[in-house]
Amino acid sequence: QVQLQQWGAGLVKPSETLSLTCDVYGGSFSDDYYWTWIRQPPGKGLEWIGEVGHSGSTNYSPSLKSRVTISVDPSKSQLSLKVTSVTAADAAVYFCAGATGRDIYCSFSTCHRAYHMGVWGKGTTVTVSS
Amino acid sequence: QSVLTQPPSVSAAPGQKVTISCSGSSSNIGNNYVSWYQQLPGTGPRLLIYDNNERPSGIPDRFSGSKSGTSATLGITGLQTGDEADYYCGAWDSGVKSYVFGTGTKVTVL
Repeated sequence: QVQLQQWGAGLVKPSETLSLTCDVYGGSFSDDYYWTWIRQPPGKGLEWIGEVGHSGSTNYSPSLKSRVTISVDPSKSQLSLKVTSVTAADAAVYFCAGATGRDIYCSFSTCHRAYHMGVWGKGTTVTVSS
Repeated sequence: QSVLTQPPSVSAAPGQKVTISCSGSSSNIGNNYVSWYQQLPGTGPRLLIYDNNERPSGIPDRFSGSKSGTSATLGITGLQTGDEADYYCGAWDSGVKSYVFGTGTKVTVL
């Protein structure tokens, strides 16, 4: 079964770039999942950051879209997250996850989806401080 | 920011039943499938329910999900002390093409 192992800098200075990586073990990296990142600020709820799909296409949370890049390296079975210009509000536990998604139906240009995160990494705590 | 609304907390005695509501809109719950996650203290989330009412292998049938219109409900029967956790609903939002989580509900076993 698929397992995810995260790593990256746990301390980032304000205005700099947060970078995290997630190694994927087991399963078919390119076919089985949409690869996603989720974060959880201290004492708060879950926030979906974005996904990269089978074809390399991405979707991002509107609130983070201008600062986030999610990418994959299939040759290394890795997914990566970069968040630029970080502030204290970006301090959180960051999770990588594998999502299963499919279109339920599409109407005009809008598609409705069945989508859930079934495989989760253990989380990486990121602190933003100078 | 969460666009799905859940009650902050629910509680019940061991062996009893609790239900957790999740309220959204036509752009998320109304036209997409709902999933539910359990987060035990100090751990990462775990998938409990997907596609509105399906359980992954290994999830006991004490956990159930349902959906009606723009709302969804998670039910937990035969409540156990090990069920004390935070629970989150989630769904794809077709309007903004992103996944949205609920505000989260803390379950306490009295």
